[in-house]
Amino acid sequence: SQQGEEDPQALSIQEGENATMNCSYKTSINNLQWYRQNSGRGLVHLILIRSNEREKHSGRLRVTLDTSKKSSSLLITASRAADTASYFCALIQGAQKLVFGQGTRLTINP
Amino acid sequence: ETGVTQSPTHLIKTRGQQVTLRCSSQSGHNTVSWYQQALGQGPQFIFQYYREEENGRGNFPPRFSGLQFPNYSSELNVNALELDDSALYLCASSLDRGWEEKLFFGSGTQLSVL
Repeated sequence: SQQGEEDPQALSIQEGENATMNCSYKTSINNLQWYRQNSGRGLVHLILIRSNEREKHSGRLRVTLDTSKKSSSLLITASRAADTASYFCALIQGAQKLVFGQGTRLTINP
Repeated sequence: ETGVTQSPTHLIKTRGQQVTLRCSSQSGHNTVSWYQQALGQGPQFIFQYYREEENGRGNFPPRFSGLQFPNYSSELNVNALELDDSALYLCASSLDRGWEEKLFFGSGTQLSVL
């Protein structure tokens, strides 16, 4: 079944450093979305990247998509304590559902 | 804040009981999706409602059922609760039923089954 797999499962960095997390998938996609979840809360949409796009930016976030490698990466530059959260990639499975991966737990240390 | 509200925020039930969770979608959104998230896991799709009709369902048994009302608010009902139903239940609304629409999530209902 189509589900993104995030890597690493957990990441701990110092404030100010960049954080990179990856999402790999198995079959072709039309688009891929990234969401953030603060502890025990709802998810917040970050970026949607379409299959014909290679890179998108939103503030300190940069998302890339390599359809030949079936992978996407999310880069957070100049990390802040408020970036501490879980990050999920989400893919469309069949025509009727958006499927989330297991997530990357990011911790920003002061 | 997304404008999606869920109630209650926390709930404790015992095995075998029934529960109803509620969700008010963001203004202008006609589609609601429900997800179950176990601790440390990603959200798992339960079902989606579009204009009061079910529009897709995940791998959940029939004791998970839902409703969407004319104002596009929604309910998730779970009968015969099991211990494994303990999870965070998330509701998300979107402008339309297409999966290219971004989802706006509520803060969830934490359900504990004892």
